[in-house]
Amino acid sequence: DTAVSQTPKYLVTQMGNDKSIKCEQNLGHDTMYWYKQDSKKFLKIMFSYNNKELIINETVPNRFSPKSPDKAHLNLHINSLELGDSAVYFCASSQDPQAGYEQYFGPGTRLTVT
Amino acid sequence: AQKITQTQPGMFVQEKEAVTLDCTYDTSDPSYGLFWYKQPSSGEMIFLIYQGSYDQQNATEGRYSLNFQKARKSANLVISASQLGDSAMYFCAMRGNQGGKLIFGQGTELSVKP
Repeated sequence: DTAVSQTPKYLVTQMGNDKSIKCEQNLGHDTMYWYKQDSKKFLKIMFSYNNKELIINETVPNRFSPKSPDKAHLNLHINSLELGDSAVYFCASSQDPQAGYEQYFGPGTRLTVT
Repeated sequence: AQKITQTQPGMFVQEKEAVTLDCTYDTSDPSYGLFWYKQPSSGEMIFLIYQGSYDQQNATEGRYSLNFQKARKSANLVISASQLGDSAMYFCAMRGNQGGKLIFGQGTELSVKP
């Protein structure tokens, strides 16, 4: 059973398009995250939701909009895609994050904007 | 501001030898957590080991141990008896003071030579 799944795994699209990445976790965790890994492999937090409520919104362009329909799902919608959005996007989840539980990562979605 | 620094972009180790990957951190919070993740060439993020700031003993998980020196603000990962499958990118991360987000270092690429 996959703990954290993301679809699609690869996404190739043109500038200006709108696209979505879906994430689902079957671990029963309350907290979910989106991270972006750039071409230099640097990982940075984008958003975090706890029980469907947005708790972290880093300085991300408002073209990026997360949506959590329930605590098992956290989707990422990106409007008006730009070349600089090309990256690998990871979804993650954890139990009580302040208690030191590790975050479980999805397999990543490689987004290429042409 | 919280920060994680990994100063070794790349490391080589002979198979069956031990290797230490360096990580230093900066935070003013008295309570924090430190994590190590492995990212093989296939791209997934694999949790390795966790150390809490109040833990008295260094964390160990199989061949992985964390050399935690609180006064020096370092959390080095030690891999004993390296295997070819250990070749990967290794990330040190700190649990941030907001919502459990992880703040990542730049990563160290480890290559194990036969």
